[in-house]
Amino acid sequence: QLVLTQSPSASASLGASVKLTCTLSSGHSNYAIVWHQHHPEKGPRYLMKVNSDGSHNKGDGIPDRFSGSSSGAERYLSISSLQSEDEADYYCQTWGTGLWVFGGGTKLTLL
Amino acid sequence: QVQLVESGGGVVQPGTSLRLSCAASGFTFSRHGMHWVRQAPGKGLEWVAIIWYDGSNEYYAESVKGRFTISRDNSKTTLYLQMNSLRAEDTAVYYCARANEGAAGDYWGQGTPVTVSS
Repeated sequence: QLVLTQSPSASASLGASVKLTCTLSSGHSNYAIVWHQHHPEKGPRYLMKVNSDGSHNKGDGIPDRFSGSSSGAERYLSISSLQSEDEADYYCQTWGTGLWVFGGGTKLTLL
Repeated sequence: QVQLVESGGGVVQPGTSLRLSCAASGFTFSRHGMHWVRQAPGKGLEWVAIIWYDGSNEYYAESVKGRFTISRDNSKTTLYLQMNSLRAEDTAVYYCARANEGAAGDYWGQGTPVTVSS
């Protein structure tokens, strides 16, 4: 079964860096994933696609502070020089045949 | 620029129907698959359905299969979601999103709220 697992919450200080993790279920470690950012009361925003080899393709206008990487079944979203507008929910998402799946999301809180 | 504007949400009773629309602009609508994704209160994002760029194929989440139907009118650059036999658990904000390879949305709308309550 294709499942994505994320920690429910993360916190970091303004100006610092954070690395969010998304874990693919057993047997799916070669899948690419997509990261989306979601502020409450707004539509989600596509951030990037992260491939199993760690390469990533960012969406239009996504700052260089955002980057992606991979290790085994884990996919990462790294954000550097955290700004107030980075406080949001972050979802990873992947797909299979006829099925699209979201992780449970990580709420990023800035201290 | 790409714009997706949902409409049609509202408050309805269990067992009734509702049709959502998503007006698209700023890109060649007929070249892209389209998704519906929802978020229930206090919950995360849940994928609902996808339709191929030409309407030739559709897939649904198990939770809505047999009750919801996704469709599109490429001449009107509009996406639809027909929701029948609505349940309380269908209460959510519904987003339309443009498909891009495996992404359930490289561009998203602002969402339209649906409340199913007696």
